[in-house]
Amino acid sequence: AQTVTQSQPEMSVQEAETVTLSCTYDTSESDYYLFWYKQPPSRQMILVIRQEAYKQQNATENRFSVNFQKAAKSFSLKISDSQLGDAAMYFCAYRSPYTGANSKLTFGKGITLSVRP
Amino acid sequence: EAQVTQNPRYLITVTGKKLTVTCSQNMNHEYMSWYRQDPGLGLRQIYYSMNVEVTDKGDVPEGYKVSRKEKRNFPLILESPSPNQTSLYFCASSSRTGVSYEQYFGPGTRLTVT
Repeated sequence: AQTVTQSQPEMSVQEAETVTLSCTYDTSESDYYLFWYKQPPSRQMILVIRQEAYKQQNATENRFSVNFQKAAKSFSLKISDSQLGDAAMYFCAYRSPYTGANSKLTFGKGITLSVRP
Repeated sequence: EAQVTQNPRYLITVTGKKLTVTCSQNMNHEYMSWYRQDPGLGLRQIYYSMNVEVTDKGDVPEGYKVSRKEKRNFPLILESPSPNQTSLYFCASSSRTGVSYEQYFGPGTRLTVT
């Protein structure tokens, strides 16, 4: 079974600075998908960024980018130019690629990010 | 607007009183799933459905039931709720086509069982 580990329960960043959130995972599959979700105080789950394991290029979405290290099974999220609205809980998640199987997301425990003005 | 809706958003109930949390999606998605979120545990899957009349257990199914009689609806049933089912519940759906089968989440239901 796959597992996702987020070892830092909390992090803090100064507004306009850069912060990196760590995530590691364990799997025996060679192909899979990785995601970062943001959960603001409204509790809505918002997809921030996704990475396909077969792609070597790291995904980027505006101020959000990932550092995907497949051999190390590491998937960190970098937030540049942090804004007050980035304050939220962030979850790393894994999904198997097989179409006939349960498309469930396996989540890490989450990390709470605070942004200091 | 493409969305997943859940009702109710908040519910306080007592032990043993049967309840249903509804979930509906308007995207014609085949796959639907229920998760619960608990502090320090992240989100864990309760049940999922690959299509109408096809459901199966996730990682934490004990104490829950589901049904999928229509493609758009996937209700979560707690026949006899207990305090350890106090949690935040999310319904999610996705298409079985597309590259990454992105899952769309509902707004969540905060359930308290006393």
